[in-house]
Amino acid sequence: NAGVTQTPKFRILKIGQSMTLQCTQDMNHNYMYWYRQDPGMGLKLIYYSVGAGITDKGEVPNGYNVSRSTTEDFPLRLELAAPSQTSVYFCASSRDLQETQYFGPGTRLLVL
Amino acid sequence: RKEVEQDPGPFNVPEGATVAFNCTYSNSASQSFFWYRQDCRKEPKLLMSVYSSGNEDGRFTAQLNRASQYISLLIRDSKLSDSATYLCVVNNGYTGGFKTIFGAGTRLFVKA
Repeated sequence: NAGVTQTPKFRILKIGQSMTLQCTQDMNHNYMYWYRQDPGMGLKLIYYSVGAGITDKGEVPNGYNVSRSTTEDFPLRLELAAPSQTSVYFCASSRDLQETQYFGPGTRLLVL
Repeated sequence: RKEVEQDPGPFNVPEGATVAFNCTYSNSASQSFFWYRQDCRKEPKLLMSVYSSGNEDGRFTAQLNRASQYISLLIRDSKLSDSATYLCVVNNGYTGGFKTIFGAGTRLFVKA
C-alpha cells in the first residue's frame, strides 16, 4: 500500500502559468481533500470530494479547480498562478467524514 | 475568535519532562476531535483521536471537555523524538457545510 501519493514534490511557477497537482490514493477511500499550509498557519481546506464525480468548495477555493473522475485520483488545477498561491499543498483521504485523514507527502509550490 | 486555537509555543522541555497542550474550539456542535503530529517539512500524521471519556496511548493522554470546549494532550516522559508540531483538529461534520478545522499547531522541542 502506497497510501496517498502526490506529484510533483516541488515546483516553481511563473505568474500566470498553469499546472496540475496530482494526488492518488490506493486505500479505496471515498473522501479526498486538498489543503494548503502557509508558514506558521494551520491547514486550510481548498476543495474536497465525497466520491467519484462529486466535489465541493472548502474554505479557500478561489484560484483552484478540482475533478474526481475516479475513486483513486483527485487532481488540483491552478489556472493562473499568483504569488499568493505560494504554499505547501497536501492531499488527504479518509474512509469516512469523521475518521482519520491520511495525508500525502505534499507539494511545495513557489510562484514568482 | 478563531474556530480552533492553540498556543503556538514553542515549548522547550528537557527529556523526561511532562508537557501539556490545550486547544479550544468555538463550535459547540463539533463532532470529532483529533491530535495530529507534524514533523518539519513533512505531512501531518494522526497521533490519536480524542474521545469524550478520555483516552491514553502509551505516554500520550488526550482529554475532551465539551462543556468548556477544549481538548488537551499530555505527553509524559518526553523523548527527543517527540520534538514536532502538534496539531489540534476539530471536525464539524456537515453542519453549515463540511468543515474540518486544523489548529495552527503547537511546537515542541525536547532537549537532551
